[in-house]
Amino acid sequence: DVKVTQSSRYLVKRTGEKVFLECVQDMDHENMFWYRQDPGLGLRLIYFSYDVKMKEKGDIPEGYSVSREKKERFSLILESASTNQTSMYLCASSSGTGAVGELFFGEGSRLTVL
Amino acid sequence: GQNIDQPTEMTATEGAIVQINCTYQTSGFNGLFWYQQHAGEAPTFLSYNVLDGLEEKGRFSSFLSRSKGYSYLLLKELQMKDSASYLCAVMDSNYQLIWGAGTKLIIKP
Repeated sequence: DVKVTQSSRYLVKRTGEKVFLECVQDMDHENMFWYRQDPGLGLRLIYFSYDVKMKEKGDIPEGYSVSREKKERFSLILESASTNQTSMYLCASSSGTGAVGELFFGEGSRLTVL
Repeated sequence: GQNIDQPTEMTATEGAIVQINCTYQTSGFNGLFWYQQHAGEAPTFLSYNVLDGLEEKGRFSSFLSRSKGYSYLLLKELQMKDSASYLCAVMDSNYQLIWGAGTKLIIKP
C-alpha cells in the first residue's frame, strides 16, 4: 500500500522557534509538494521539488524553506515561526509520468504557533 | 486571476443522489481533478477529466465542459461514509494545480 508519512500529526510551538516538518514517501516518486490548508481557502502550494536537491517556490514561500537531500524525503522548515503560520500542513507526492496531478497525500501536520 | 468556485456546504439524504458543482477560470487547462477528504484525514484522488463528457467510476461520476469552465461530481446511492469534503482542482498551463476551497457534504439518515 502506497504511503506518504509526515513526522508529526500535531505540534505546538512558540513564536520565533525553528520548526521542522518531515515527509517521507515510499513510492519512488519524483515529485514532492508542501501545501498548507486553511479553513475557507483552497490548498496553497508552499514549495515543490521535481528531483533530489531541486526546489521551486510555490505561491506562498515567504517564511518557509525546504530541503530534499534524498528522493524519498522532503522537509519543510519554518526558520522563525509566527502566529500566522498556524495551519494544517500537507505533504504530497506524485509520479513524474502518468496522470500528472494525481497526488498522494500524507495525513497532515497541524501546527499551532503561540 | 485564477479562480475555482464550489459551494461551501451541501446536505443530502442517505440513499439519494447529489451533484457538487465546480466552475473555474484559469490560465490554460490541462485537466480537472476531484479529491475526497474526510475530516482529519488526507485528501484522496477520486477522478481526472481532461476531455469533455462524463467519466463514471462506480457510484461516483465526474463531468467536464471545457467551453463552459464547468465540472460536477455526481454521487449516487449516498452512504453515511460519503460525508466528507470534496475538493476540485484544475491544472493550469504551467502544470500547476489550482485548488477550490472544497465542498463539505453532510449526509443525513
